[in-house]
Amino acid sequence: AQTVTQSQPEMSVQEAETVTLSCTYDTSENNYYLFWYKQPPSRQMILVIRQEAYKQQNATENRFSVNFQKAAKSFSLKISDSQLGDTAMYFCAFMTGPRRANFGNEKLTFGTGTRLTIIP
Amino acid sequence: KAGVTQTPRYLIKTRGQQVTLSCSPISGHRSVSWYQQTPGQGLQFLFEYFSETQRNKGNFPGRFSGRQFSNSRSEMNVSTLELGDSALYLCASSSRGVNTEAFFGQGTRLTVV
Repeated sequence: AQTVTQSQPEMSVQEAETVTLSCTYDTSENNYYLFWYKQPPSRQMILVIRQEAYKQQNATENRFSVNFQKAAKSFSLKISDSQLGDTAMYFCAFMTGPRRANFGNEKLTFGTGTRLTIIP
Repeated sequence: KAGVTQTPRYLIKTRGQQVTLSCSPISGHRSVSWYQQTPGQGLQFLFEYFSETQRNKGNFPGRFSGRQFSNSRSEMNVSTLELGDSALYLCASSSRGVNTEAFFGQGTRLTVV
C-alpha cells in the first residue's frame, strides 16, 4: 500500500516570499504520478502541479515548481513570489501508473495536508 | 465548459437515514471517483466508476455504494447513516484514458445529527 506524509501541518510566509512544502511517500511501484492539490476555503480541490515518476526533469508551472527526488521518495513544492491567493490547504497526492489502458484512473492517495497562510 | 457539479452542496440528515449524493462530471469525462474528507481521517478514496462499472473500491463498509449512469453522471448512496459519516464528499472526473488530470467538484457537506 502507498502512503503519503506531509510533516508540516501549518506554515506561514510573508507575501512575495518563497515557501517550500514538504512531502514524502512510500511505494514499491516504479511507475506512478505525484500531484500537489490546493484546497482554498471554497473547498474545491485544484490541481497545482503534476510529476510523472519516469521523468527526471522537475515539473514547473509558473510560480510553482517541484523538487522530485525519486530515490529519496521526496516531492516538495516550491511557491515563488507568494501571493495572498495562495492561502489554502495544500495536499500532496500519489497515483499508481496505468495498469489497464483506457480503463479509468487509479485512486489518489493523499497526505494530511499543509495549511499555508500568506501574510500581507 | 462547465465544471464538475455536485448536488446538493449541504445536507443535514438524522442517524439511521439514508442519503444520495449526485455528481455530474465534465462533459466527455467517463471516469468518476468519490472521496470522503474528514478532519480526523483526511481524504480517503471511496470508489471509482468508468463506463458505468465500478473499477476500484476503497476500504469502506457496504453501507457506502454508488453507481454511474450512461451519461457518466454518478450517484453515491450511504444507508443507515452514522454520526461518523459526517464529512465533505468530493467527486472527481477525468477524461477518457488513464491517469489524466482529475477535476474536482466543490463537494457536498453532509452533517449527520
